Amino acid sequence: EAQVTQNPRYLITVTGKKLTVTCSQNMNHEYMSWYRQDPGLGLRQIYYSMNVEVTDKGDVPEGYKVSRKEKRNFPLILESPSPNQTSLYFCASSWEGKVYSPLHFGNGTRLTVT
Amino acid sequence: KNEVEQSPQNLTAQEGEFITINCSYSVGISALHWLQQHPGGGIVSLFMLSSGKKKHGRLIATINIQEKHSSLHITASHPRDSAVYICAVVMNRDDKIIFGKGTRLHILP
Repeated sequence: EAQVTQNPRYLITVTGKKLTVTCSQNMNHEYMSWYRQDPGLGLRQIYYSMNVEVTDKGDVPEGYKVSRKEKRNFPLILESPSPNQTSLYFCASSWEGKVYSPLHFGNGTRLTVT
Repeated sequence: KNEVEQSPQNLTAQEGEFITINCSYSVGISALHWLQQHPGGGIVSLFMLSSGKKKHGRLIATINIQEKHSSLHITASHPRDSAVYICAVVMNRDDKIIFGKGTRLHILP
């Protein structure tokens, strides 16, 4: 089944403890991206990647890192999480690098940083 | 001012009504997406538009590039259409995606 898989679905952690949220797609998509969703602010793009080894900052990249070493995986790394990074995170992928095709979203990761 | 504005923010309608959700943007774009987010939180892509009009079942999406405006229409609305509908634009200067804040639709049986 074609899908975008995020793990974990729920994560509670403490300030400063490094964490990684994984994202994997099995559709051979070139484009992958990360978003956070907060009440009143909606969805905001964190980072995106047009292809392997190519990553770019979105609207809210501060405090996050990503890597795209292989086409299927696009992990989101929080080196030193802070409470203001408590949010619902989504990964998405798309077939064409220019995002001229539909976005496929993962199921989301709800992160709480205490 | 937000670069992507949606209206209305909230909409309650009776089953069977024709629904229109609007999206206006102030930046140059290469594409526009309409997304649906159900109460469980999952996000589904409904349409991707760069020009004209697309139809899928009871859903119709239109875009007017000159006027920087897009609409999502739902014909013969049904309670299962209750969800948040989100407009997202791909900026043509750098391919970043920016989102509207969503329209919460509630269809009463």
